Amino acid sequence: DADVTQTPRNRITKTGKRIMLECSQTKGHDRMYWYRQDPGLGLRLIYYSFDVKDINKGEISDGYSVSRQAQAKFSLSLESAIPNQTALYFCATSDKRVSGANVLTFGAGSRLTVL
Amino acid sequence: AQSVTQLDSQVPVFEEAPVELRCNYSSSVSVYLFWYVQYPNQGLQLLLKYLSGSTLVKGINGFEAEFNKSQTSFHLRKPSVHISDTAEYFCAVSDPAGGYQKVTFGTGTKLQVIP
Repeated sequence: DADVTQTPRNRITKTGKRIMLECSQTKGHDRMYWYRQDPGLGLRLIYYSFDVKDINKGEISDGYSVSRQAQAKFSLSLESAIPNQTALYFCATSDKRVSGANVLTFGAGSRLTVL
Repeated sequence: AQSVTQLDSQVPVFEEAPVELRCNYSSSVSVYLFWYVQYPNQGLQLLLKYLSGSTLVKGINGFEAEFNKSQTSFHLRKPSVHISDTAEYFCAVSDPAGGYQKVTFGTGTKLQVIP
C-alpha cells in the first residue's frame, strides 16, 4: 500500500457542488499539506498542518477549507466548487523530527474537474 | 521572498544523449534546494537535495545537480537519458531558517526522451 493515499483519484462534479478530497498516511509524519497543480504554474500550497490542532493557510486558500481529523488524516473541502478549481490536487507529508531539509512525500494525486 | 525559475517548459532529447534542466532561484538567505520528478499519473518523488557541503549532489537514476551560489543556479544533469526518464521535473527551494521551511516549487520542465 502507498505511504500517502488520496481518494478519490478522479472526480467530475458540477459548479456549486460540495467536494471533499481525502488523504491518509502511514508514514507517521506529523506535518501534512495540500497542494494544487496547474499546467505551467507548478505546485501551489493551499493549506498545511503541523498537527491536529495547528492548521495554516497557504498561498491560495480562498475557496477551500481543511480538516485534520487525526494525525494520519487530512481532508480538503471545496464548499461550492467553481470551474477554475479544476486541477490536480496533491497531499504531501513531512516529518519534523528529521533534522535538515523539509522533504515532502506525495500522494498520487486527485484530479478534479468542475463543469 | 524565495522563488524558483525554470526557464524551459519542455526539453526534447534523444535517447542516450545528455541533458541539462535549468533552475535558478532567488532568496535573501541561505537555501536548501531540491529536484523532484513526476512520472505520468503519479505524485512527485524526491530526486536529490542540496543542504550543504559538496556542491555536486548525486541523486537517484543517475541524475546529479550542481549548486552554484554565485549564479544562484541548481541545474540538473544526466549524461545519458533513457526512455524511462520521460517525466516532469520540478526544482524547489526552501529556507532552512525557522521552524517551517516553506517549500517553493518552480513551474516544472517536461523532459521528453525521443527513441
